[in-house]
This record gives sequence, structure tokens and C-alpha cells, in this order.
Amino acid sequence: AAGVIQSPRHLIKEKRETATLKCYPIPRHDTVYWYQQGPGQDPQFLISFYEKMQSDKGSIPDRFSAQQFSDYHSELNMSSLELGDSALYFCASSLGTGRPYGYTFGSGTRLTVV
Amino acid sequence: AQTVTQSQPEMSVQEAETVTLSCTYDTSENNYYLFWYKQPPSRQMILVIRQEAYKQQNATENRFSVNFQKAAKSFSLKISDSQLGDTAMYFCAHKPFNFGNEKLTFGTGTRLTIIP
Repeated sequence: AAGVIQSPRHLIKEKRETATLKCYPIPRHDTVYWYQQGPGQDPQFLISFYEKMQSDKGSIPDRFSAQQFSDYHSELNMSSLELGDSALYFCASSLGTGRPYGYTFGSGTRLTVV
Repeated sequence: AQTVTQSQPEMSVQEAETVTLSCTYDTSENNYYLFWYKQPPSRQMILVIRQEAYKQQNATENRFSVNFQKAAKSFSLKISDSQLGDTAMYFCAHKPFNFGNEKLTFGTGTRLTIIP
């Protein structure tokens, strides 16, 4: 079965650079979520989209922006990168919102800022 | 705001034994969802089991079962006949019931090691 695809798997950027992470949800899934997991920490919710509209927002820095496109894939844009942005970034998808099914997570993008 | 607490940072158990991971949470809502996720060394987040708060019956998925105590706000995970592949980080998570509030709140995780 098709899963949530994230690209790239690994990314190394220098401070103050910009990074773009991409997420391709499971076919027919219309909701995408982004999470950030720092080293040794639990995942923290960043933002979610339902039908290409932002549906919920968490602790996402102003330097970050995200959107969901017409084909339901999503991109997380991160500017003015800081060392503290080094983390594993997860995307997850689901069908609809407010449902109990839990999400299907991608394998994550490991971002290292040097 | 919801909080999720996992008080056991690490646990280990012999293969084929049973182990229980603890989770407590705090919420003012009456309806919500609870999940256990597994994160093996590959870092993939894998859904293990879920529970709707409005259901009294404890969820079961093969060797995995939960003990959901709504009044005590407790949601423990029992793994029976543990296998080496169960070695992973386990996260308990809470999700609100209402539409437009999509955030999963995770606990800090329990690192489980299955010993051969």
C-alpha cells in the first residue's frame, strides 16, 4: 500500500539558509500534518491543512510557512535557519478531519543545520 | 491545554514476557482520542492502537491491548508475548474530538528494549 512520502530524507543546511521539505500524502487523503521532533524529544505539532486550507496551527515559528497544493501535497518552507531547527520533521496524512483513525506518518526528513 | 505524561523513560523485558507501559493525561474534554505510537530505530512513527474516549471497551490489536481508565485519566499499553521487533520508543498521544483541532499531543516516550 502507498504510504506518506517525504523528501528529501536528509538535508544539511547552513545557518541563515532556506530549506523546503515536501510531503506527498496517501492517495485520497486530504489532510496533512507537520510535526517537528528534536533530538530525544517527543514530536511537536507545527501545522495542518485540510482541503488546501490551514486547519490548525501549533508552535510553528514565524520563519516557517507551509501550504497544501491542489494535488494535496504539502511543502514546509523554513527560512533564516537556526541551529535549533535541526530536527526530524514528520509529515502525516489522514482522510478528513476530526476522525479517530490516527494519522499515517511518513518516514521523516532529518534536517541538520550547521 | 492537554498534557500527556509517561513516567517510565526506559523499560526492558525478556522476550516472550508481558510488559505494561504507563500513560496518564490531563484534559478538560469529555470526548477525545488516545493513541499509542511506536518509533523503532528506523524513526518511522507507527500507530499501534487507538481508543475513543466514549467507548468503554478497551481496545485490542493482536498482542497489544490497553487499559483505559477514563476517570483516572490513565491509558496503559500491555504488550503480551513480547518480541524482539517490539524494541522501540513508545509514545502515548492525545487528540481532541472536535473538528478543526487536529493536534496530537505526545508524551515524552518510553524506550522499550526486548532482551533475547
